[in-house]
Amino acid sequence: SQKIEQNSEALNIQEGKTATLTCNYTNYSPAYLQWYRQDPGRGPVFLLLIRENEKEKRKERLKVTFDTTLKQSLFHITASQPADSATYLCALEGGGFKTIFGAGTRLFVKA
Amino acid sequence: DTGVSQDPRHKITKRGQNVTFRCDPISEHNRLYWYRQTLGQGPEFLTYFQNEAQLEKSRLLSDRFSAERPKGSFSTLEIQRTEQGDSAMYLCASVSLAGLNNEQFFGPGTRLTVL
Repeated sequence: SQKIEQNSEALNIQEGKTATLTCNYTNYSPAYLQWYRQDPGRGPVFLLLIRENEKEKRKERLKVTFDTTLKQSLFHITASQPADSATYLCALEGGGFKTIFGAGTRLFVKA
Repeated sequence: DTGVSQDPRHKITKRGQNVTFRCDPISEHNRLYWYRQTLGQGPEFLTYFQNEAQLEKSRLLSDRFSAERPKGSFSTLEIQRTEQGDSAMYLCASVSLAGLNNEQFFGPGTRLTVL
């Protein structure tokens, strides 16, 4: 069956370092992959989309890679700040505009 | 504020009661999604609409759940005969077909507690 896996353990890093989050998937051939940020008690907020024919996408301090052979996306936040502390969700198009979300990875950036 | 609103924000009900939630999407958005999210999990797809047509419904969803989008604008999600396992955050999101990123704009959610 289709499955998305994100690091279940929280990621703790020091301010100024690069945070790297992983999203692995199986039994999918998604046309694109998205990353969202979610703060406690709020709905997710869209960050980036990367398509199957793109290797890398950047937006300000964010960088996303997409390896369709490994079935993996990496999400990087460079020069991390305490305000980046949140849960980060990856999402795949599951066919027919249905979206499947991973469980998310909690990121804590310590000042 | 994303422009998507949901009402109520919180709902406490007793097991066996029916509840109805409302979502008002961004006005020009054609597609509307409903999700359920429990603690430590990502949003779980429930159903989605394109304009007023309900195009897909999760196979995990029991017959106690029904959703409508009668005029292609706001949507309602009804849960009949609620069970304690229905306790969750119910999220609505809307998408513009003209958007480049299929970006979903989420509402603040309705937190349901079934006692």
